[in-house]
Amino acid sequence: AQKVTQAQTEISVVEKEDVTLDCVYETRDTTYYLFWYKQPPSGELVFLIRRNSFDEQNEISGRYSWNFQKSTSSFNFTITASQVVDSAVYFCALSEIRHGNQFYFGTGTSLTVIP
Amino acid sequence: ETGVTQTPRHLVMGMTNKKSLKCEQHLGHNAMYWYKQSAKKPLELMFVYNFKEQTENNSVPSRFSPECPNSSHLFLHLHTLQPEDSALYLCASSQDHGNRDSPLHFGNGTRLTVT
Repeated sequence: AQKVTQAQTEISVVEKEDVTLDCVYETRDTTYYLFWYKQPPSGELVFLIRRNSFDEQNEISGRYSWNFQKSTSSFNFTITASQVVDSAVYFCALSEIRHGNQFYFGTGTSLTVIP
Repeated sequence: ETGVTQTPRHLVMGMTNKKSLKCEQHLGHNAMYWYKQSAKKPLELMFVYNFKEQTENNSVPSRFSPECPNSSHLFLHLHTLQPEDSALYLCASSQDHGNRDSPLHFGNGTRLTVT
């Protein structure tokens, strides 16, 4: 079973629209970490944010915000006032403490921002 | 200089060739990783080195052979590959594989095409 599910394969928005990328995860650990990465066309995955399982406070960084809800096992990512430079593939990832210290990545959501 | 550098960026090889991918990190990290990224699939972890010791080999075929001479350099030696091995190969590093809150830092990847 997929540990990290990103149901949205591709999303297109017009510049300046807000967009939310969904991430649902599955774990039995009580201690775990969640991450978001951005992969622009250049190929490099860029680390955006880390959240541990004990910190459900939502976070805002400029136009980016993250909504972590343990009750629904979701860690959604919102970009407000999207820009063309936001076009990329975005990956959500889960890191568990117990099971081999692995990162589990979702399949990614490809975001296209149309000017 | 970027934190994690991979060479070459692109590689085309025949099934009988032998080639090597190179990765170098300038972040002072102690763990290095090889991931395979194929279209529409989650990132697949291939190998993990922590303090130069290989700690994980995720059932990778023997035609892929990693080498980690020191904490800053990682190689992936390729021989007798198959067309289905064509993918983007990503190198990553982290502070310590035992610290699951330590994010991965990725290189730009090597786009491999096997003909």
